Amino acid sequence: NAGVMQNPRHLVRRRGQEARLRCSPMKGHSHVYWYRQLPEEGLKFMVYLQKENIIDESGMPKERFSAEFPKEGPSILRIQQVVRGDSAAYFCASSQEQVSNEQFFGPGTRLTVL
Amino acid sequence: AQKITQTQPGMFVQEKEAVTLDCTYDTSDPSYGLFWYKQPSSGEMIFLIYQGSYDQQNATEGRYSLNFQKARKSANLVISASQLGDSAMYFCAMRGTSNFGNEKLTFGTGTRLTIIP
Repeated sequence: NAGVMQNPRHLVRRRGQEARLRCSPMKGHSHVYWYRQLPEEGLKFMVYLQKENIIDESGMPKERFSAEFPKEGPSILRIQQVVRGDSAAYFCASSQEQVSNEQFFGPGTRLTVL
Repeated sequence: AQKITQTQPGMFVQEKEAVTLDCTYDTSDPSYGLFWYKQPSSGEMIFLIYQGSYDQQNATEGRYSLNFQKARKSANLVISASQLGDSAMYFCAMRGTSNFGNEKLTFGTGTRLTIIP
């Protein structure tokens, strides 16, 4: 049973380019969470999605950031016109329908903006 | 709103000694869950242990135990017989249940643990 998968693991972009981060949840999981970890900081919640629905985007920056979780395929976190301050590790986590005692994290995508 | 406080930015501990990592929390939710994660230098987030606010006993998982003191709002992680491989960042996190089904976690700032041979 594969865990949460994220790709790419490392992504380098120049200022102004777009970054697309992908997350495939664990099999049978329909809830996806995205977190951002700035250097030397803890993880900060960004957005919570279920299939085809954004449930909670209270942690998402108002501009340039968007997320989706289509009926088929992985969840995508999209950052348009990246800036140096977007450089961070972006983690995806997934869970099942019921409240569980563990949230399963992917390995993260490390975004570097030059 | 929920808040997690980890007051120890870094700790150095001799190998084979026990270590306690501090975590205090604040929430208005009547029911909540507390988590500890380990993040080694490779960067992944490794789940260690979970404590539910209504659990009668403190959680234990191998060498990890959670010293849960509800009245003090503390959930300290205790690692017994520390090993060199325990050197990592450790994060305390909380999940509230005010929005059923939304399991987003609130993280502390972490403690960097270094085990000295």
